[in-house]
Amino acid sequence: QQPVQSPQAVILREGEDAVINCSSSKALYSVHWYRQKHGEAPVFLMILLKGGEQKGHDKISASFNEKKQQSSLYLTASQLSYSGTYFCGTDGSGNTGKLIFGQGTTLQVKP
Amino acid sequence: DTGVSQDPRHKITKRGQNVTFRCDPISEHNRLYWYRQTLGQGPEFLTYFQNEAQLEKSRLLSDRFSAERPKGSFSTLEIQRTEQGDSAMYLCASSLRQGARGANVLTFGAGSRLTVL
Repeated sequence: QQPVQSPQAVILREGEDAVINCSSSKALYSVHWYRQKHGEAPVFLMILLKGGEQKGHDKISASFNEKKQQSSLYLTASQLSYSGTYFCGTDGSGNTGKLIFGQGTTLQVKP
Repeated sequence: DTGVSQDPRHKITKRGQNVTFRCDPISEHNRLYWYRQTLGQGPEFLTYFQNEAQLEKSRLLSDRFSAERPKGSFSTLEIQRTEQGDSAMYLCASSLRQGARGANVLTFGAGSRLTVL
């Protein structure tokens, strides 16, 4: 029941926008978004909880459609530092932290 | 707050040897998680602790894998009789879970990369 992310990869120019989608076949309590650069730890970006609560960075936004079990991450006015692989992790077991991660979306931002 | 620390960062071993990884979580966090990540994939959950209690270990990949968290502080992940398929990045994460509701945000360490020859 691994969530499916789309697209698998995207290339942007600085200043362009991107949307990354995450879709699950299971009912979800929360969706977590992380960015990972090569050889580094996944870095927390955003958490979206059932019921509408969100917590994350000011410059990144996301949505969570509980009925459709889908989440989207919105990257606006992209910067070079946004490059990396983005993972969504889903928690369907009631806030346990036992996340099931998608396969990742690789984002490359070019000057 | 120094973040989540993992040691060693890299380990090369021969097939059949035992290896142990250590994780030091963020001090005020009560939960500690182990994940495994192979090249090109997202992290895969292995096991987790609340304080010193191991809440789930069914996802450990085989009985060669074991984890401990004595005294509820640092944790160790041991792999016995390593196989080439065990080569991966082993990630530790910690969180402060304050109840069944609310944001349970995981902070990951940089990982311990295992290469089995």
